[in-house]
Amino acid sequence: GENVEQHPSTLSVQEGDSAVIKCTYSDSASNYFPWYKQELGKGPQLIIDIRSNVGEKKDQRIAVTLNKTAKHFSLHITETQPEDSAVYFCAASIRGSSYDKVIFGPGTSLSVIP
Amino acid sequence: DGGITQSPKYLFRKEGQNVTLSCEQNLNHDAMYWYRQDPGQGLRLIYYSQIVNDFQKGDIAEGYSVSREKKESFPLTVTSAQKNPTAFYLCASSVRADTQYFGPGTRLTVL
Repeated sequence: GENVEQHPSTLSVQEGDSAVIKCTYSDSASNYFPWYKQELGKGPQLIIDIRSNVGEKKDQRIAVTLNKTAKHFSLHITETQPEDSAVYFCAASIRGSSYDKVIFGPGTSLSVIP
Repeated sequence: DGGITQSPKYLFRKEGQNVTLSCEQNLNHDAMYWYRQDPGQGLRLIYYSQIVNDFQKGDIAEGYSVSREKKESFPLTVTSAQKNPTAFYLCASSVRADTQYFGPGTRLTVL
């Protein structure tokens, strides 16, 4: 069945360094890839997304890249700050006839060390 | 102030008791979802609804029930048939499933 893998499961970086989280998906029909940030005890918040007709998207310190051929996409955070510490989830969405299915990755716990 | 709200923030359930989690949205979204999140794990879909008076089971629907009588509301009942209900429950809504907006969550604990 459909699956989204996410690596690494935990990531620690020094403040100011870059962080990269990678995801792979199994269904080639996936056409939308959002990334969510979840702070402790809160609901996930959308931080950036990319559609299958685009290879890269950037929003200030955050960027996402998509390789449809390899079926993987990545989140890049530059100049990390302590407030970037959170759990990050990737997801892949398949637009279906009756239900648009969204599959979430297992999450990456990012710690930014001051 | 548009958004999606969940209540209560914390909920305690005794053995054999049914409890209902509230989810309300004023975003005018057609679709609503319930997810379960266990510590250190991702999101698992319990139920979803694409339109009023219609809902479908997700991957882990056993022991749960929902209703969708109004567009704005999608309550989740955790029944006594759910043997391990302690978890963080998240409600979400969307125009189409590709961009889901999440509520703040309800943490349910079995006493």
